[in-house]
Amino acid sequence: DTAVSQTPKYLVTQMGNDKSIKCEQNLGHDTMYWYKQDSKKFLKIMFSYNNKELIINETVPNRFSPKSPDKAHLNLHINSLELGDSAVYFCASSQGGDSTDTQYFGPGTRLTVL
Amino acid sequence: DAKTTQPNSMESNEEEPVHLPCNHSTISGTDYIHWYRQLPSQGPEYVIHGLTSNVNNRMASLAIAEDRKSSTLILHRATLRDAAVYYCILRANYGGSQGNLIFGKGTKLSVKP
Repeated sequence: DTAVSQTPKYLVTQMGNDKSIKCEQNLGHDTMYWYKQDSKKFLKIMFSYNNKELIINETVPNRFSPKSPDKAHLNLHINSLELGDSAVYFCASSQGGDSTDTQYFGPGTRLTVL
Repeated sequence: DAKTTQPNSMESNEEEPVHLPCNHSTISGTDYIHWYRQLPSQGPEYVIHGLTSNVNNRMASLAIAEDRKSSTLILHRATLRDAAVYYCILRANYGGSQGNLIFGKGTKLSVKP
């Protein structure tokens, strides 16, 4: 069984569209994350979320919004897509969210905005 | 967040040990040292972490300098599957975002057969 799964694996869309990427974890973890890896391969945290707190990286545009229907899911909604949003997006989860926790990453979703 | 410095790339021969260095001279007393790696076209995966003492697990060993200003990830016998980008990350033990991983550029390890 895949611990952290994401769908779709590839997403190609036009500028201005709204899209979502889904993430599910079956590890029973309390905290989930979204990371963005750009074309230069830099990985940056976008959000971390548990049932109590959403922490947003201040550099993330408000066109990006995480939505959690339940503890096992954290979906990423992106409005009015721009060319610069093209990247690989990784979802991750961990048990608690402190500095000793191990994070488990999904396989990534490659988003291409045309 | 305290920063880390790693070589951009390293090469190794298959079945030989690999020592991946990381400098973190501004580390604070409560920062944990974590290592993750990212295989090609995959998400990052956890390798090992430590605070002060050397650590061993099935994947690797972590040697931490006595002053904690540097550490070394040791792969005892490199395999072709170990070719990846290895990230050394400091995680602060305070604040609301202590769970977040702050990735640097990492070291790209190539393994030759």
